[in-house]
Amino acid sequence: AQTVTQSQPEMSVQEAETVTLSCTYDTSENNYYLFWYKQPPSRQMILVIRQEAYKQQNATENRFSVNFQKAAKSFSLKISDSQLGDTAMYFCASYQGAQKLVFGQGTRLTINP
Amino acid sequence: SQTIHQWPATLVQPVGSPLSLECTVEGTSNPNLYWYRQAAGRGLQLLFYSVGIGQISSEVPQNLSASRPQDRQFILSSKKLLLSDSGFYLCASDPNYGYTFGSGTRLTVV
Repeated sequence: AQTVTQSQPEMSVQEAETVTLSCTYDTSENNYYLFWYKQPPSRQMILVIRQEAYKQQNATENRFSVNFQKAAKSFSLKISDSQLGDTAMYFCASYQGAQKLVFGQGTRLTINP
Repeated sequence: SQTIHQWPATLVQPVGSPLSLECTVEGTSNPNLYWYRQAAGRGLQLLFYSVGIGQISSEVPQNLSASRPQDRQFILSSKKLLLSDSGFYLCASDPNYGYTFGSGTRLTVV
């Protein structure tokens, strides 16, 4: 079965600091997609960033970037210049065909003023 | 861009009562549709997914069922709710490798 592992249940940093959330996944596929989702207290799931496995270049969206290490099956999310509004649960997810995403258990991130 | 409408936002139902949660999608056609459940402070568990009208795949044996009567409509149902059915239910649409989620339904079975 496909698995996605987030080893950090909770993290806390000060505003304006940089924080990195870890994610590892298991796959036997060559082509797949990886995602980071943000779930604020409203519980709306918001897509933060997407990475296609065949692309070597790491995806970037403003203050959010990923470190995609295909051989190590690692997909970490870096948030630069963190803001209070970044406080949320963050979920890593893997799409490997079979028409479905597999999610990790999430990391609760708190940005302190 | 696509939009997912999900209702109701909050629901409190007694044990043994029926359930019907509806999800409709705008801005796309022939999407894959999904129902997920999230327990408090936990990850998302896939319950059902559908790749087309009338096509339903169940991921876990449970007290719930799903139907897709129209291309952009996905319904989650139960004939008799259990306490363990409480949770946060999310509908998602995936037209092309990028899920969009609805705003969710918080279900409390009492």
